[in-house]
Amino acid sequence: DTGVSQNPRHKITKRGQNVTFRCDPISEHNRLYWYRQTLGQGPEFLTYFQNEAQLEKSRLLSDRFSAERPKGSFSTLEIQRTEQGDSAMYLCASSLKGPVYEQYFGPGTRLTVT
Amino acid sequence: DQQVKQNSPSLSVQEGRISILNCDYTNSMFDYFLWYKKYPAEGPTFLISISSIKDKNEDGRFTVFLNKSAKHLSLHIVPSQPGDSAVYFCAAKGGSQGNLIFGKGTKLSVKP
Repeated sequence: DTGVSQNPRHKITKRGQNVTFRCDPISEHNRLYWYRQTLGQGPEFLTYFQNEAQLEKSRLLSDRFSAERPKGSFSTLEIQRTEQGDSAMYLCASSLKGPVYEQYFGPGTRLTVT
Repeated sequence: DQQVKQNSPSLSVQEGRISILNCDYTNSMFDYFLWYKKYPAEGPTFLISISSIKDKNEDGRFTVFLNKSAKHLSLHIVPSQPGDSAVYFCAAKGGSQGNLIFGKGTKLSVKP
């Protein structure tokens, strides 16, 4: 296992369409995080899973966003009715359960909404 | 309201010299801090971390210093190399679940 993988790497969609991204974490990591990064900003936390349970959601995660981790392995992030403001880099990270807090990031999915 | 601040958007250093990247935070409840490096078109890569019970942590060319009274941390890179040129993010552990709060980053350029 070489690290966190994300697919697709790039996605261009028209406003109003739905998109889904996938994240495969490092296999022994039971924690999985989604972040969003826009130009000139650091990554911003969206949501967190421990195994298959979604334990925390940011206020940034509007009703149009939904995330799942059905078997405690890979995770999907869906955005419904995309808006131009959703254009960003979507990053997934995984980690072992604490007290080690280092998170390991995937390469990200670049979303462009036209 | 930014809880983690990196006030220098960019820094240019000569190869072989020391690079010092700074970070300030506002929440005294933060108890764990991390530095990440990011190249274009890649995700952030973990560099080094420090717990609030320590004031220094060293790993090879990288050293992180924490001053809790000033709510300030810094990353020292010695000696700097051209391959260190990247955007560096400071992050703090934001909650019990471990989500990270990032600064806006500092772009480091190391010139040969």
